[in-house]
Amino acid sequence: GVTQSPTHLIKTRGQQVTLRCSSQSGHNTVSWYQQALGQGPQFIFQYYREEENGRGNFPPRFSGLQFPNDSSELNVNALELDDSALYLCASSFQGSGANVLTFGAGSRLTVL
Amino acid sequence: AQSVTQLGSHVSVSEGALVLLRCNYSSSVPPYLFWYVQYPNQGLQLLLKYTSAATLVKGINGFEAEFKKSETSFHLTKPSAHMSDAAEYFCAVSDETSGSRLTFGEGTQLTVNP
Repeated sequence: GVTQSPTHLIKTRGQQVTLRCSSQSGHNTVSWYQQALGQGPQFIFQYYREEENGRGNFPPRFSGLQFPNDSSELNVNALELDDSALYLCASSFQGSGANVLTFGAGSRLTVL
Repeated sequence: AQSVTQLGSHVSVSEGALVLLRCNYSSSVPPYLFWYVQYPNQGLQLLLKYTSAATLVKGINGFEAEFKKSETSFHLTKPSAHMSDAAEYFCAVSDETSGSRLTFGEGTQLTVNP
């Protein structure tokens, strides 16, 4: 499946954070979602073959990396209080038809 | 742009009763539709998906959903609720060009009473 680390972390405003994800074997696409408390997940961006190829309505201080070994990172700079959320990583195989996403359990970020 | 509206942020049913969770979508192109379930402190698990084949889709744990184009709906049902069905349910939409970009609804919290 998809594994994420850390499961919980606390940061202060202005700091930077890196969240990590290990995709399901055989998947070639990783996407990241932000889920604020009481809301549905919001698409941040997706990476395909180590290139960003789709971004939601998030500022450039949200960035990512996808590595050849099925791992990926989400980096957030200059943290703001509103960045407090559950961050979900999802992997999928992008071929023809619908992408079926496999989600990790998430990393819960609290910004103080 | 695509969007999803889930009617009812909280739904409460008795154990053994019918579960009906409502989802309406908006899409300018033929949609792919999904229902996901989220248990506390866990990620999202796929219940079922519609990808332009049969309009009645059967999923895991006894859930099913029917795609109705004329009503732009994709409601989730289960004939008999079980205590273990208590969770948050999300409807999501994408299309052929979306890749892994899903647009989610706000979610419906299902409570099952004994």
